[in-house]
Amino acid sequence: KNQVEQSPQSLIILEGKNCTLQCNYTVSPFSNLRWYKQDTGRGPVSLTIMTFSENTKSNGRYTATLDADTKQSSLHITASQLSDSASYICVVTPKYSSASKIIFGSGTRLSIRP
Amino acid sequence: GAVVSQHPSWVICKSGTSVKIECRSLDFQATTMFWYRQFPKQSLMLMATSNEGSKATYEQGVEKDKFLINHASLTLSTLTVTSAHPEDSSFYICSACRTDFKAVTLRGQGYWDHTEAFFGQGTRLTVV
Repeated sequence: KNQVEQSPQSLIILEGKNCTLQCNYTVSPFSNLRWYKQDTGRGPVSLTIMTFSENTKSNGRYTATLDADTKQSSLHITASQLSDSASYICVVTPKYSSASKIIFGSGTRLSIRP
Repeated sequence: GAVVSQHPSWVICKSGTSVKIECRSLDFQATTMFWYRQFPKQSLMLMATSNEGSKATYEQGVEKDKFLINHASLTLSTLTVTSAHPEDSSFYICSACRTDFKAVTLRGQGYWDHTEAFFGQGTRLTVV
């Protein structure tokens, strides 16, 4: 069964610190792996998108990495800001699949404390 | 980047009434849109896949007569919650994918490759 699991479920860090969120998947092959940020009460916003052949993708203070051998992805946030408080969702799209098979992780709720 | 607009952002309605939520792709054509439901502190749950010009495909456990989906054009899909009840109160989100149709796979059939998914801002529905 195709799955996407994220850890930790929640995380609290102090403003200015770095953190890393994990995503383990069993989906194979996949078309792309995406990280989204979802603020409370808002729709998810795309942070990064990586294909199978890409190892890393950056978007400002956000850097996503992908290890296809271990089927792991991580999202690293540098110099965290209060506005980084949100849920971060890992999404994997299986290749050769129907449109409805986009698989969402359960997300990591990140809280930044001043 | 591409924009998906969802309207309204929030709505309060009386029990027994119907509510329509619109999802528009503003700068690209979306043959397929998705409708999700999200409860507090939980991940998005796919309700249905909306296909332009044809009937929507509903996920198991989702009542198609209660959640009416219409995808009349390449830029607009609507979700109507009929005879709403308090348990229907939730956060509803739509998304639209940029897709590229790949002509050939290992099995000799084409498939949809979803290159990017864009989400609407969500609609908070409260039924009182």
